[in-house]
Amino acid sequence: DAGVIQSPRHEVTEMGQEVTLRCKPISGHDYLFWYRQTMMRGLELLIYFNNNVPIDDSGMPEDRFSAKMPNASFSTLKIQPSEPRDSAVYFCASREGRGVAEAFFGQGTRLTVV
Amino acid sequence: AQSVTQLGSHVSVSEGALVLLRCNYSSSVPPYLFWYVQYPNQGLQLLLKYTSAATLVKGINGFEAEFKKSETSFHLTKPSAHMSDAAEYFCAVSVSSASKIIFGSGTRLSIRP
Repeated sequence: DAGVIQSPRHEVTEMGQEVTLRCKPISGHDYLFWYRQTMMRGLELLIYFNNNVPIDDSGMPEDRFSAKMPNASFSTLKIQPSEPRDSAVYFCASREGRGVAEAFFGQGTRLTVV
Repeated sequence: AQSVTQLGSHVSVSEGALVLLRCNYSSSVPPYLFWYVQYPNQGLQLLLKYTSAATLVKGINGFEAEFKKSETSFHLTKPSAHMSDAAEYFCAVSVSSASKIIFGSGTRLSIRP
């Protein structure tokens, strides 16, 4: 397996624009996580899914953020409208749902909102 | 709810010296514990994980961690630091395979020649 795949790797957008980040988890993994990493706040869990169903979205900062998982092999994180304070690295990770399963991370998307 | 606290946002050691990165956890049930490493501009990768099979866990690149329930700690060590160990290290906790994984704030490890 190629691991967790995120796209794009870098995104620069203007304030007010819609941004969509994409993730393909490892095949067979039951759980998918979206994290945001910033210098000030570290690594924050935004939302996670189990079998394509959102389980906990309490970390989503506000209504401008939304996430979907239409099938087991694809998820999106959308920000609309984007603001400069959304600038961060966004990571997607996936995990099996049994045993002491670790999360496998993608390479991240570095988002810059100007 | 579970949480982890990493003491020291930045640790600097000389090449060849002992590395000790501290992690304390809080959990109402027996936790799953992990250490991850992040190199610049990369995602996180697993160093090691605690499975309850043994309190001393060996990971990749010569790192190991010891689970101490009485101290609620899971500190990461390496006997002899190498320049390539310079990175950010994260401790993480989960209460089951079905729950979220919560990360500490990270410790940046620098290695002096």
